[in-house]
Amino acid sequence: DIQMTQSPSSLSASVGDRVTITCRASQGISNFLAWFQQKPGKAPKSLIYAASSLQSGVPSRFSGSGSGTDFILTISSLQPEDFATYYCQQYSDYPYTFGQGTKLEIK
Amino acid sequence: EVRLVESGGGLVQPGGSLRLSCAASGFTLSPYWMTWVRQAPGKGLEWVANIKQDGSEKYYVDSVKGRFTISRDNAKNSLYLQMNSLRAEDTAVYYCARGIQLWLWGQGTLVTVSS
Repeated sequence: DIQMTQSPSSLSASVGDRVTITCRASQGISNFLAWFQQKPGKAPKSLIYAASSLQSGVPSRFSGSGSGTDFILTISSLQPEDFATYYCQQYSDYPYTFGQGTKLEIK
Repeated sequence: EVRLVESGGGLVQPGGSLRLSCAASGFTLSPYWMTWVRQAPGKGLEWVANIKQDGSEKYYVDSVKGRFTISRDNAKNSLYLQMNSLRAEDTAVYYCARGIQLWLWGQGTLVTVSS
């Protein structure tokens, strides 16, 4: 199975900060990578697919980059509603796998 | 409104069975792969299974192979997950999601396996 490793596991930041979350795959997955946001008690929400394509309705402060094994989710200017847990997921090879999550907290 | 609604969760004893349903509204299920994802209490997301548009291909995570069966009824606009031989470690919120890229998620249904 392909292992997805996110870093950091948790992160404290302030409103207005630029934040990056990294996701590394244990083998190459081309650009078959998605990012999700989950708030407590809620279902996950799709943010980005194909590594860098923004899902419809998602604010442009979110962006994704990378290919192969290394990927980055960037939030250009944190807003209060962005404090949540973020997950990456590969859909290159079965079984599809998620990263362990990155919890973004208010500093 | 485009949405997915799961149902069928509950408390079941180890070794028991449960069938989850996922009803689509506001769109037609038939053009899409469909997926089940679960989340144990306080833990991360785990991809469980998915099924092709016509049901001809199904894939599972190893931990549920031989115990869980994913199916769909496009005429009823619904997705299912039959779960047999349930174990304590299957306790989780189960989400259905649209597509391979999981663009749309339901609200989830809680399955608790306990004696």
